[in-house]
Amino acid sequence: DTEVTQTPKHLVMGMTNKKSLKCEQHMGHRAMYWYKQKAKKPPELMFVYSYEKLSINESVPSRFSPECPNSSLLNLHLHALQPEDSALYLCASSQVRLAAAYEQYFGPGTRLTVT
Amino acid sequence: DQQVKQNSPSLSVQEGRISILNCDYTNSMFDYFLWYKKYPAEGPTFLISISSIKDKNEDGRFTVFLNKSAKHLSLHIVPSQPGDSAVYFCAASGGNEKLTFGTGTRLTIIP
Repeated sequence: DTEVTQTPKHLVMGMTNKKSLKCEQHMGHRAMYWYKQKAKKPPELMFVYSYEKLSINESVPSRFSPECPNSSLLNLHLHALQPEDSALYLCASSQVRLAAAYEQYFGPGTRLTVT
Repeated sequence: DQQVKQNSPSLSVQEGRISILNCDYTNSMFDYFLWYKKYPAEGPTFLISISSIKDKNEDGRFTVFLNKSAKHLSLHIVPSQPGDSAVYFCAASGGNEKLTFGTGTRLTIIP
């Protein structure tokens, strides 16, 4: 099973709302990632969790709050977002290797619109 | 500073011919390179990877070539099929889990 699932598929939220994006994988991967992708741009890394600990935060604003409750689940909590935060949010997972990378497997994404 | 570049935003190829997608990088610390394919409204799908200790890796119709001295990699797809029409991203990593993606090339296969 090489599937990463993400919910919801689409989300529309106001600037004062609080919402969460969810991601799940059952491949036994111990690294999980959040990316943001704007139209016609490459995915941009936001956060990396390795063995359920935050290992990389790419200077993401605090209105985005990641959480990794266990090795299969990754959440992204959203609060007080701006319209420019509208994008496709992608979750990915991979194995972990010391001082090296493995291929990452991506979910289908959540299309977020902030009004 | 764009450390991974794909200088061709788009490419059209006849069905059955070879598609060659190119990628250049500037960071000499990158040691692992990947190609992803992306359809609209879907997440990227991993295609093939190559470590810097190799100069070629093959998987079915897909072959990736790495020229470290030129800091250049390419993806060859042969023969090209209509289902290959998508946006292709190259990505690079240097010693950790972080992937840096290129800007993407939209490949269109003409029947």
